[in-house]
Order: sequence, then structure tokens, then C-alpha cells
Amino acid sequence: DAGITQSPRHKVTETGTPVTLRCHQTENHRYMYWYRQDPGHGLRLIHYSYGVKDTDKGEVSDGYSVSRSKTEDFLLTLESATSSQTSVYFCAISSGTSGKQETQYFGPGTRLLVL
Amino acid sequence: DAKTTQPTSMDCAEGRAANLPCNHSTISGNEYVYWYRQIHSQGPQYIIHGLKNNETNEMASLIITEDRKSSTLILPHATLRDTAVYYCIAVFSGGSNYKLTFGKGTLLTVNP
Repeated sequence: DAGITQSPRHKVTETGTPVTLRCHQTENHRYMYWYRQDPGHGLRLIHYSYGVKDTDKGEVSDGYSVSRSKTEDFLLTLESATSSQTSVYFCAISSGTSGKQETQYFGPGTRLLVL
Repeated sequence: DAKTTQPTSMDCAEGRAANLPCNHSTISGNEYVYWYRQIHSQGPQYIIHGLKNNETNEMASLIITEDRKSSTLILPHATLRDTAVYYCIAVFSGGSNYKLTFGKGTLLTVNP
């Protein structure tokens, strides 16, 4: 299995509080991704990163920000959590070798409950 | 990325082969077919991918039709631990966009 960890694995927070989720990889992969998974919607991309300090929005980026100051860490921040952000969050990585097909490897997920 | 269509659910007896179909009639020449699965409460797991030729690895085999409009994932000897949602995804390769678009997938239930 790819070396991907997510922290925390479970979190309960209150509406309006800031929350930061961390994804850490030991594979030195270039690309990192944050997805959320909700019943009836499948996995949806929030943000992704294609290098240190290089990030871009996915299809459901509103209310989320990300940062990547080191290759191995990709942080997802909910500036002011809302109940609609209750979800399971997955981090993924891929090597990003130019011109080759990509395989993404996923972390174990973080279950976030916003009350 | 091309849209894929999969059955909502399938059953398979333990020890038998599980054959999971996927239709991707609008797939383009530079789109690969990827298969992932997600066991309950876990992160998605990569299984296999292919472009034109059939592929096999330690987990599964992928059979792609000659016209590339459909494919079948084969788990040769299904076990109870293979019960999961299986996703078939068409992925464009060679560009700078490596995002995956997951559909609803097929829930495979392996029965004792």
C-alpha cells in the first residue's frame, strides 16, 4: 500500500469553527488530491496540488482552502465549518509522470461531523 | 472524460469468478479504462487499468472489447473480502489533468 496517512481519522466540531485536515505521504509523489464522499454523490474532487505551493480547484471547492508547503504534506482547511461539510474526506496521491497514465492511491479517510 | 455505465449491483458465489461489466461507448482513443474498488469505510483501491489490450495482474483481469466501447473486470476466484463497490472510470492520459470522476459503481456482494 502507498504510504499515505490522514489525520485526524475522526473529528467532531461545531458550526463556525475552523478545521484543518492533514494528508501526509512518504512516496515523494508530485500530485496530491482532496476528495469528499457523501451518500448519493460518490467521490467529488475538492482541490488538488501539482507541486509545492501549486494548487487548483476541483468541482466542490467553495468553503475549502488548501496549502502545500512541502512535498509530503497537503492540508485541507475549512475556514468556518458548516453542517453541509459533514462528510468523509479522502486524500489521494499520484506520481504525475508526464505523458503516462496516472494511478491515484488513496488514504484511509477522515470522518468529519459538523454539529 | 467519457461517461461509463455499470450495473448497480451484482452477486457472486464465493470461489467463483466475478465478471463486472462496464460500458464506455464514447471513450476516445487516448482514454484509459481504470478500475477501482472501495471496501466499506475504506479509501478507494486501485485494481487495474488498460487502453486496448487485455491486462492481468495479481488482483484481476481486464478484458476490453476490440471497439473499446465496453470492458469487463474479472476477479477469478472471488472471496468474501472482495465484497465492495467497483468503479469503472475512463481517464484521459497525457495531459495535465489527472482528476478522477467516480460514478456510482457496482456493488458486488460475494456470498458464502
